[in-house]
Formats: sequence, C-alpha cells, structure tokens
Amino acid sequence: DIQMTQSPSSLSASVGDRVTITCRASQSITNYLNWYQEKPGKAPKFLIYGASSLQSGVPSRFSGSGSGTDFTLTISSLQPEDLGTYYCQQSYTTPATFGQGTKVEIK
Amino acid sequence: EVQLLESGGGLVQPGGSLRLSCAASGFTFSRYAMSWVRQAPGKGLEWVSTISGSAGGTYYADSVKGRFTISRDKHTVYLQMNSLRVDDTAVYYCAKDRGDYTNAFDIWGQGTVVTVSS
Repeated sequence: DIQMTQSPSSLSASVGDRVTITCRASQSITNYLNWYQEKPGKAPKFLIYGASSLQSGVPSRFSGSGSGTDFTLTISSLQPEDLGTYYCQQSYTTPATFGQGTKVEIK
Repeated sequence: EVQLLESGGGLVQPGGSLRLSCAASGFTFSRYAMSWVRQAPGKGLEWVSTISGSAGGTYYADSVKGRFTISRDKHTVYLQMNSLRVDDTAVYYCAKDRGDYTNAFDIWGQGTVVTVSS
C-alpha cells in the first residue's frame, strides 16, 4: 500500500496568515493527489483533486501543488471558518490511502 | 442538490452483523462509483470498499475482505458487515466518486455510527 505522510500534525495560525501543509507519498503517484477538509462533527469536504485543481465552490484562497511524491496545500489568507483537519489522499491505486491529517487551529 | 443519506448504524456485539444503507439523490447514480470510508474514534480516514458504477466491480480493504460486502441497486449503496470486530467501531461515511472509479470522493454523507462492543 502507498503510505501518505503529512506535516505538520497540527498548527496554529492567525487570521490572514499564509498556511502551508505538506504531504509526501511513499512512491510516485504522479498527480493523483486529493485534499479534504474536515470540520468538527461534519463529513469531510472535497477541496482539491489532481494535486492542483480546485473543486467547484471552494474559495480561491485554497491552492494545491506538487507531483511525484511531494505535495502542498496552501491557504493564502487563513479565515476563521478554515479551522479543522486537512487530509491528503492518493487516488493513484487501490487501496486509496489518506494521510494522518493536519489539525489547523486559529490563534 | 446532490445528497447521500446513510442509515443502519448501531450497537452490535463482536461477531454480529449490520447492514448499512446509503440513499443517493440529485445525480445519475449508475454513472458513478460509490465507496465507504470509515473513521475510528479519534483517528483518521480509512477507505473500506468501492463498487464501480458501470461494471459493478467491487474492491475491499484487506482489513474487511471476506467479512464485508458492498452492493448497489437503483439509488442505494449497501455495506453488509459480518463477523464484526471491536476495531470496526467507527463512523462510516458513504462517498460518491468523481467518476466511475477515480478514487476521488467529491460528495460525502453525514455518516452513521457503528459501535462493536460486548
């Protein structure tokens, strides 16, 4: 199975800050990388697919980049509603596997 | 509006069975693969199973293979869970694929809680 490793595990940032979360795959997944946001008590929300394509309706302050094994999710200007846990997930092969999550808190 | 509504969770003893259902609406159901993803208490997300839209192929995580069975009919996807273990305790989410088996999940249900305990 392909292992997905995210860093950091948690972070605390102020409103307006630029936030970066990284995700590393244990082998090349080309650009088959997706990002999800999970808010407390809610189902995950699909943010980005294909490493860099923004899902319809997702604010443009979210962006993704990377290919091969190293990927990044960036929030250009953190907003209060962005608190939650972010997961990367590879869709290159079955089983689909997720990173362990990055918890984002607002200072 | 695209919606997924899960049901069927509950408390069951180890070795017991449950059948989860996920009713879909707002999209052409047969065109899309459907999956189940679970989240154990305090843990991350774990893919469980997928059924494709067209050919009906089925795929399972090693942790549930031989115990769980995924199926679908006109507007609903099911997860039959047998020989349940304590470590199957989780919130089970139904998720719609972006296409027919891309493994990218663009719509999620609200989840149904399965607790396996004696």
